[in-house]
Order: sequence, then structure tokens, then C-alpha cells
Amino acid sequence: GENVEQHPSTLSVQEGDSAVIKCTYSDSASNYFPWYKQELGKRPQLIIDIRSNVGEKKDQRIAVTLNKTAKHFSLHITETQPEDSAVYFCAATSNTGGFKTIFGAGTRLFVKA
Amino acid sequence: NAGVMQNPRHLVRRRGQEARLRCSPMKGHSHVYWYRQLPEEGLKFMVYLQKENIIDESGMPKERFSAEFPKEGPSILRIQQVVRGDSAAYFCASSDKGAGEFEQFFGPGTRLTVL
Repeated sequence: GENVEQHPSTLSVQEGDSAVIKCTYSDSASNYFPWYKQELGKRPQLIIDIRSNVGEKKDQRIAVTLNKTAKHFSLHITETQPEDSAVYFCAATSNTGGFKTIFGAGTRLFVKA
Repeated sequence: NAGVMQNPRHLVRRRGQEARLRCSPMKGHSHVYWYRQLPEEGLKFMVYLQKENIIDESGMPKERFSAEFPKEGPSILRIQQVVRGDSAAYFCASSDKGAGEFEQFFGPGTRLTVL
């Protein structure tokens, strides 16, 4: 079945450094790739998304890249701040055989001040 | 504009009881998704509904679980004869456009504990 793998599971960086989280997906029909941030005990919130007709998208300190051929996409956070500490989830959505969104297992990001 | 509402926020049930979880989507949203999240794990898709229709329930266990989204009122996720393994956070999300291809806004979740 469809699967999304996410790495690393835990990432610790120094404040000001960059953080990169990578995901691969199995369903070649996937066409929408959102990234969510979830703070402890709170709801997931969308931070950026990308569609399959775009290779890269940037929003201030956050950027996402998509390689459809290789079926992987990445989240890049630059100039990290302590408030970036949270769990980040990638996801992939396909509309073949259903309309479900498959989430990665998450990356716990720690930004040390 | 109120966000996605879920109630109750916390629910405690004994094994064998029924659990009913409610989700009111954002105003104007007609697409609802339910997810389950175990501690320290990701979100697992359960079901996608539009008003009065189940579009994709491939992530929902075949027994004891059911979902509905009536013409009027909230979406309901119902778990019959709960077992300890059902303990988890259940999130619903809504979107104004469907097929999972647009931003989903999440509710605060219902944390179910089965004793």
C-alpha cells in the first residue's frame, strides 16, 4: 500500500543553524505534499505545502523541494529558532483508489539556544 | 471564524463501552477527515467524508468503528465496545475543497483513554 517514510526521527540543531527533513513516498500518483508542525499536546498546523507541478517553494525561513522522479521531498528551515522546536510531519496525497493523505512518522526537532 | 471544533477534548471509557467523538468543521467546509495518533507516532488516516457520504474509509478498522457526517450537525466517529488499544488522540480535519489535495485544518483532538 501507500507509504511515506520520513528521516530523521529526531534532529537536534544549534540556534541559527539550518534543519533539513527528508521524506520519500511510494505512490507515484501523489500530487500534493503538505508539511505540518505539531507542538506538544496541540493540533497539527500546516506550515507549507507543494504540488506536483512545482519543484520548489519558499516562505520566509521555510522552503520545500520536490523531486517527482525520485519520489522524495524535503523541508528546509534556515536560521532556526527555539520556537521552531516541535514535531514536523510530511504527508502525501493521491487521488487514485481513494483520497487519503498518508503522513510520515514525524521528526522531533530540537533547537538549542 | 471559528476553527475546527472537537468534543469532548478528553474521554475516558471502560472496556466494552461506546465512545462517540464529535467534529464540527470550519464554517463553509464540507470535507472532513478523521485521523488517529498514538503517543509518539504519526497521524494515521481513518476516513474521509463529505456531507452524507463516506468517500474513503480504507483506514478504518472493519469492526467496531463507524463514521458519519449528516446533512445537519457535526461529524461523528463512533467506536463500539472499546478496547485498551483504542486509547489514542483522534483528530479531525476539514477543508473547503476535497480529495485531500488542499489544506486541511485540524481540530484540537479528542484524547480517548480506555481503562
